[in-house]
Amino acid sequence: QTVVTQEPSVSVSPGGTVTLTCGFSSGSVSTPYYPSWYQQTPGQAPRTLIYSTNTRSSGVPDRFSGSILGNKAVLTITGAQADDESVYYCVLYLGNGIWVFGGGTKLTVL
Amino acid sequence: QVQLVQSGAEVKQPGASVKVSCKASGYSFSNYGISWLRQAPGQGLEWVGWISAYNGYTKYAQDFQGRVTMTTDTSTTTAYMELRTLRSDDTAVYYCSRIGDSGSYWDNWGQGTLVSVSS
Repeated sequence: QTVVTQEPSVSVSPGGTVTLTCGFSSGSVSTPYYPSWYQQTPGQAPRTLIYSTNTRSSGVPDRFSGSILGNKAVLTITGAQADDESVYYCVLYLGNGIWVFGGGTKLTVL
Repeated sequence: QVQLVQSGAEVKQPGASVKVSCKASGYSFSNYGISWLRQAPGQGLEWVGWISAYNGYTKYAQDFQGRVTMTTDTSTTTAYMELRTLRSDDTAVYYCSRIGDSGSYWDNWGQGTLVSVSS
């Protein structure tokens, strides 16, 4: 069973910096898994934030950044704002046209 | 601009089938694949499968193999997902999404279609 792990919930103060992580049951998350990140607010379709580890999607502000840190993919949000309060999903591409989702991290800005 | 517009909400009985459509516009339809994903109430996102709009190649998540069929109609630039033998736990919002240039992520999303399965 392939499992992508994310923190269930994380909180950050307005203006602060927060990192969300994405791990993999099969070992390390690395660039060949092309980690991508999606933001979703209740009742809305997901929004693409980051793809191929660290490439921002069109229109995404540069306070969102992606990287690999150790054996995990990381989404960093700097200068957190109230409307960043969302669920963030990490997705890994396993190749051969197969993707797997993490369970999502609920970010609270308080 | 790229747009993916999905069909409206559906209510189905257990054992029935549902076919959801995703009308694409604003780009060359055949040059991109389409993925389908779903989200059960209060749950996370789940990848269902994808289809190449170029040649119709499909790949389905293991949990859906044998129950799902994805197709495209290039003349109307529309993708379809049919799910058969519906169960109550198929109740979810189903999303179509365009696969981005690198083939490894999704860059545009439909608005979602709620499929409710109930007797």
